[in-house]
Amino acid sequence: QSALTQPASVSGSPGQSITISCTGTSSDVGGYNFVSWYRQHPGKAPKLMIYDVSKRPSGVSNHFSGSKSGNTASLTISGLQAEDEADYYCSSYTSSSTVVFGGGTKLTVL
Amino acid sequence: EVQLVESGGGLVKPGGSLRLSCAASGFSLSSYSMNWVRQAPGKGLEWVSSISSTSNYIYYADSVKGRFSISRDNAENSLFLQMNSLRAEDTAVYYCARDCAPGRYSYGGMDVWGQGTTVTVSS
Repeated sequence: QSALTQPASVSGSPGQSITISCTGTSSDVGGYNFVSWYRQHPGKAPKLMIYDVSKRPSGVSNHFSGSKSGNTASLTISGLQAEDEADYYCSSYTSSSTVVFGGGTKLTVL
Repeated sequence: EVQLVESGGGLVKPGGSLRLSCAASGFSLSSYSMNWVRQAPGKGLEWVSSISSTSNYIYYADSVKGRFSISRDNAENSLFLQMNSLRAEDTAVYYCARDCAPGRYSYGGMDVWGQGTTVTVSS
Protein backbone atom coordinates (compact mmCIF):
# COMPACT_ATOMS: atom_id res chain seq x y z
CA GLN A 1 0.00 0.00 0.00
CA SER A 2 1.62 3.27 -1.10
CA ALA A 3 1.59 6.27 1.19
CA LEU A 4 -0.83 9.08 0.44
CA THR A 5 0.77 12.12 -1.21
CA GLN A 6 1.08 15.35 0.77
CA PRO A 7 3.19 18.45 0.06
CA ALA A 8 6.41 18.37 2.05
CA SER A 9 5.88 21.85 3.40
CA VAL A 10 3.46 24.76 3.48
CA SER A 11 3.68 28.13 5.17
CA GLY A 12 1.52 31.07 6.07
CA SER A 13 1.41 34.19 8.20
CA PRO A 14 -0.60 34.52 11.40
CA GLY A 15 -4.26 35.12 10.63
CA GLN A 16 -4.02 33.70 7.11
CA SER A 17 -5.63 30.49 5.87
CA ILE A 18 -3.74 27.55 4.42
CA THR A 19 -4.79 24.28 2.84
CA ILE A 20 -2.91 20.98 2.90
CA SER A 21 -3.79 18.42 0.25
CA CYS A 22 -3.73 14.63 0.55
CA THR A 23 -3.94 12.63 -2.67
CA GLY A 24 -4.66 8.95 -2.87
CA THR A 25 -6.55 6.63 -5.17
CA SER A 26 -10.03 5.23 -5.63
CA SER A 27 -8.96 2.38 -3.33
CA ASP A 28 -8.48 4.66 -0.37
CA VAL A 29 -9.27 8.39 -0.25
CA GLY A 30 -11.66 8.32 -3.19
CA GLY A 31 -13.45 5.17 -2.16
CA TYR A 32 -14.36 5.89 1.45
CA ASN A 33 -15.34 8.81 3.65
CA PHE A 34 -12.76 7.77 6.23
CA VAL A 35 -10.03 10.39 5.91
CA SER A 36 -8.44 11.68 9.11
CA TRP A 37 -5.97 14.45 9.85
CA TYR A 38 -3.43 14.62 12.67
CA ARG A 39 -1.21 17.35 14.07
CA GLN A 40 2.12 16.40 15.62
CA HIS A 41 4.41 18.74 17.49
CA PRO A 42 8.09 17.70 17.82
CA GLY A 43 8.60 14.94 20.32
CA LYS A 44 4.88 14.57 20.98
CA ALA A 45 2.25 12.04 20.06
CA PRO A 46 -0.08 12.88 17.16
CA LYS A 47 -3.38 14.60 17.89
CA LEU A 48 -6.55 13.90 15.93
CA MET A 49 -7.87 17.08 14.32
CA ILE A 50 -10.39 15.76 11.74
CA TYR A 51 -11.96 12.34 11.16
CA ASP A 52 -14.43 10.93 8.65
CA VAL A 53 -13.34 13.65 6.16
CA SER A 54 -14.87 16.62 7.94
CA LYS A 55 -15.82 15.81 11.55
CA ARG A 56 -14.03 17.54 14.41
CA PRO A 57 -13.42 15.71 17.69
CA SER A 58 -14.61 17.41 20.83
CA GLY A 59 -12.22 20.15 21.86
CA VAL A 60 -10.71 20.80 18.44
CA SER A 61 -11.01 24.39 17.29
CA ASN A 62 -13.43 25.17 14.47
CA HIS A 63 -10.63 26.90 12.59
CA PHE A 64 -9.75 23.39 11.39
CA SER A 65 -11.92 21.98 8.60
CA GLY A 66 -11.71 19.05 6.23
CA SER A 67 -13.12 18.22 2.82
CA LYS A 68 -12.73 15.77 -0.03
CA SER A 69 -13.12 15.82 -3.79
CA GLY A 70 -12.48 12.67 -5.74
CA ASN A 71 -9.18 11.11 -4.70
CA THR A 72 -7.94 14.24 -2.90
CA ALA A 73 -8.72 15.31 0.64
CA SER A 74 -7.87 18.70 2.10
CA LEU A 75 -7.29 20.20 5.51
CA THR A 76 -7.89 23.92 5.82
CA ILE A 77 -6.63 25.92 8.77
CA SER A 78 -8.12 29.39 8.95
CA GLY A 79 -6.76 32.16 11.16
CA LEU A 80 -3.29 30.65 11.51
CA GLN A 81 -1.80 30.77 14.98
CA ALA A 82 1.75 30.19 16.15
CA GLU A 83 0.71 26.95 17.89
CA ASP A 84 -0.45 25.56 14.53
CA GLU A 85 3.19 25.20 13.47
CA ALA A 86 3.67 21.43 13.39
CA ASP A 87 3.71 18.39 11.15
CA TYR A 88 0.37 17.34 9.71
CA TYR A 89 -0.52 13.86 8.52
CA CYS A 90 -3.55 12.57 6.68
CA SER A 91 -4.72 8.97 6.79
CA SER A 92 -7.33 6.94 4.97
CA TYR A 93 -9.04 3.61 5.28
CA THR A 94 -8.31 1.35 2.30
CA SER A 95 -10.02 -1.36 0.28
CA SER A 96 -7.71 -3.90 1.97
CA SER A 97 -9.23 -2.99 5.36
CA THR A 98 -5.97 -1.35 6.33
CA VAL A 99 -5.04 2.26 7.08
CA VAL A 100 -2.53 4.30 5.10
CA PHE A 101 -0.90 7.57 6.17
CA GLY A 102 0.41 10.41 4.09
CA GLY A 103 4.08 11.32 4.15
CA GLY A 104 3.43 14.39 6.27
CA THR A 105 3.48 18.15 5.73
CA LYS A 106 5.53 20.60 7.76
CA LEU A 107 3.54 23.75 8.43
CA THR A 108 5.58 26.87 9.15
CA VAL A 109 3.89 29.94 10.61
CA LEU A 110 5.94 32.88 9.37
CA GLU B 1 -8.41 10.75 32.77
CA VAL B 2 -8.46 8.78 29.53
CA GLN B 3 -4.95 7.47 29.01
CA LEU B 4 -2.87 4.89 27.15
CA VAL B 5 0.57 3.88 28.40
CA GLU B 6 2.90 1.75 26.30
CA SER B 7 5.74 -0.37 27.64
CA GLY B 8 8.08 -3.13 26.54
CA GLY B 9 10.33 -1.30 24.11
CA GLY B 10 14.07 -1.63 24.14
CA LEU B 11 17.20 -2.65 22.25
CA VAL B 12 17.06 -6.01 20.46
CA LYS B 13 19.32 -7.74 17.95
CA PRO B 14 18.14 -8.44 14.39
CA GLY B 15 16.07 -11.60 14.36
CA GLY B 16 15.03 -11.11 17.96
CA SER B 17 11.61 -10.65 19.55
CA LEU B 18 9.84 -8.11 21.74
CA ARG B 19 6.35 -7.87 23.19
CA LEU B 20 4.85 -4.42 23.55
CA SER B 21 2.03 -3.70 25.97
CA CYS B 22 -0.44 -0.85 26.13
CA ALA B 23 -2.40 -0.25 29.33
CA ALA B 24 -5.64 1.68 29.06
CA SER B 25 -7.20 3.69 31.87
CA GLY B 26 -10.16 6.02 32.19
CA PHE B 27 -12.27 4.10 29.67
CA SER B 28 -13.30 0.56 28.85
CA LEU B 29 -10.98 -0.89 26.24
CA SER B 30 -13.64 -3.47 25.33
CA SER B 31 -15.74 -0.83 23.59
CA TYR B 32 -13.11 0.28 21.10
CA SER B 33 -11.07 -0.96 18.18
CA MET B 34 -7.38 -0.36 18.77
CA ASN B 35 -4.31 0.27 16.66
CA TRP B 36 -0.53 0.24 16.66
CA VAL B 37 1.22 2.99 14.70
CA ARG B 38 4.97 3.48 14.45
CA GLN B 39 7.31 6.30 13.54
CA ALA B 40 10.89 5.68 12.51
CA PRO B 41 13.44 8.32 13.56
CA GLY B 42 12.88 11.49 11.55
CA LYS B 43 10.17 9.84 9.44
CA GLY B 44 6.41 9.93 9.14
CA LEU B 45 3.69 7.85 10.71
CA GLU B 46 3.17 4.26 9.57
CA TRP B 47 0.10 2.22 10.51
CA VAL B 48 1.11 -1.23 11.76
CA SER B 49 -2.02 -3.13 12.83
CA SER B 50 -5.62 -2.85 13.97
CA ILE B 51 -7.83 -5.11 16.07
CA SER B 52 -11.58 -4.84 16.53
CA SER B 53 -13.17 -4.64 19.98
CA THR B 54 -13.87 -8.38 20.18
CA SER B 55 -10.75 -9.43 18.24
CA ASN B 56 -12.91 -10.66 15.35
CA TYR B 57 -11.14 -8.49 12.82
CA ILE B 58 -7.36 -8.14 12.73
CA TYR B 59 -5.29 -6.57 9.96
CA TYR B 60 -1.59 -5.86 9.43
CA ALA B 61 0.56 -3.70 7.22
CA ASP B 62 2.37 -5.72 4.55
CA SER B 63 5.69 -4.68 6.11
CA VAL B 64 4.96 -6.65 9.32
CA LYS B 65 2.56 -9.38 8.17
CA GLY B 66 3.71 -12.80 9.30
CA ARG B 67 6.13 -11.35 11.86
CA PHE B 68 3.94 -9.25 14.18
CA SER B 69 0.83 -10.32 16.07
CA ILE B 70 -1.69 -7.99 17.72
CA SER B 71 -3.88 -9.13 20.59
CA ARG B 72 -5.91 -7.70 23.45
CA ASP B 73 -7.15 -8.63 26.91
CA ASN B 74 -10.30 -6.64 27.53
CA ALA B 75 -10.61 -7.92 31.08
CA GLU B 76 -7.17 -6.46 31.83
CA ASN B 77 -7.79 -3.35 29.69
CA SER B 78 -4.62 -4.10 27.75
CA LEU B 79 -3.42 -4.26 24.15
CA PHE B 80 -0.34 -6.14 22.96
CA LEU B 81 1.98 -6.38 19.98
CA GLN B 82 4.19 -9.44 19.68
CA MET B 83 7.07 -8.66 17.35
CA ASN B 84 9.19 -11.50 15.98
CA SER B 85 12.01 -11.70 13.42
CA LEU B 86 12.80 -8.05 14.02
CA ARG B 87 14.73 -6.10 11.40
CA ALA B 88 16.68 -2.85 11.49
CA GLU B 89 13.83 -1.18 9.60
CA ASP B 90 11.47 -1.94 12.50
CA THR B 91 13.37 0.62 14.60
CA ALA B 92 10.77 3.21 15.60
CA VAL B 93 8.65 4.72 18.31
CA TYR B 94 5.57 2.53 18.63
CA TYR B 95 2.29 4.14 19.62
CA CYS B 96 -0.94 2.46 20.61
CA ALA B 97 -4.01 4.46 19.65
CA ARG B 98 -7.75 4.19 20.21
CA ASP B 99 -10.34 4.44 17.47
CA CYS B 100 -12.41 7.57 17.84
CA ALA B 101 -15.82 5.90 17.80
CA PRO B 102 -16.88 3.10 20.17
CA GLY B 103 -18.37 0.02 18.62
CA ARG B 104 -17.05 0.40 15.09
CA TYR B 105 -14.06 -1.06 13.29
CA SER B 106 -11.01 1.17 13.08
CA TYR B 107 -11.23 3.30 9.96
CA GLY B 108 -8.24 5.42 10.80
CA GLY B 109 -9.58 8.09 13.14
CA MET B 110 -7.55 7.66 16.33
CA ASP B 111 -8.38 10.03 19.13
CA VAL B 112 -6.33 8.82 22.10
CA TRP B 113 -2.61 8.04 21.77
CA GLY B 114 -0.03 6.83 24.21
CA GLN B 115 3.33 8.53 24.67
CA GLY B 116 5.06 5.83 22.65
CA THR B 117 7.70 3.20 23.40
CA THR B 118 10.99 3.05 21.52
CA VAL B 119 12.14 -0.10 19.78
CA THR B 120 15.70 -0.21 18.48
CA VAL B 121 16.85 -3.15 16.38
CA SER B 122 20.62 -3.22 16.09
CA SER B 123 23.50 -5.60 16.49
